[in-house]
Amino acid sequence: EAQVTQNPRYLITVTGKKLTVTCSQNMNHEYMSWYRQDPGLGLRQIYYSMNVEVTDKGDVPEGYKVSRKEKRNFPLILESPSPNQTSLYFCASSLLSSGGYYEQYFGPGTRLTVT
Amino acid sequence: GENVEQHPSTLSVQEGDSAVIKCTYSDSASNYFPWYKQELGKRPQLIIDIRSNVGEKKDQRIAVTLNKTAKHFSLHITETQPEDSAVYFCAAKGSNYKLTFGKGTLLTVNP
Repeated sequence: EAQVTQNPRYLITVTGKKLTVTCSQNMNHEYMSWYRQDPGLGLRQIYYSMNVEVTDKGDVPEGYKVSRKEKRNFPLILESPSPNQTSLYFCASSLLSSGGYYEQYFGPGTRLTVT
Repeated sequence: GENVEQHPSTLSVQEGDSAVIKCTYSDSASNYFPWYKQELGKRPQLIIDIRSNVGEKKDQRIAVTLNKTAKHFSLHITETQPEDSAVYFCAAKGSNYKLTFGKGTLLTVNP
């Protein structure tokens, strides 16, 4: 089954404790991306990657890191989480070469709470 | 960078009526405009998308129109049904592959 998976789905942590949210896709997609969703602010892109070892900042990259060592995986790293990073996080992936259409497939989301 | 404005933020219609959601974008280089539907507690899912070289696209009860000159695009849902109730997001993709979303429209279809 074609899918994007994220782990963990729920996480409660404390300020300053490093954490990683994993994202994996089995569709051989070149493009992967992380978003955060906050009430009233919609979906905001954190980082995106167009292929292995190619990453770029989205609109809200501060406080986050990513890596793309393998095509299927795109982990999101919070080196020192703060309460303002409490949010719902979505990973997504898509093909890059599809005739100009770039449907993104979203993972199930990770609900992060930083206290 | 790209800025996408979406209106209205909430929309309530009676079952069977039409619903229209409008978005404007700022980057004239943007070339791909998807619409996503997010039901409560679920992930966003693509419902329709359009490229910058197309003015209108239709898929059953859903249509999207694009006016490149004015830099705005709209989602039209006809014959609305209660299962259309959800949050709808527009987005615009720039030449750098960055995807910018609007803030969303909560659509409620009343039976």
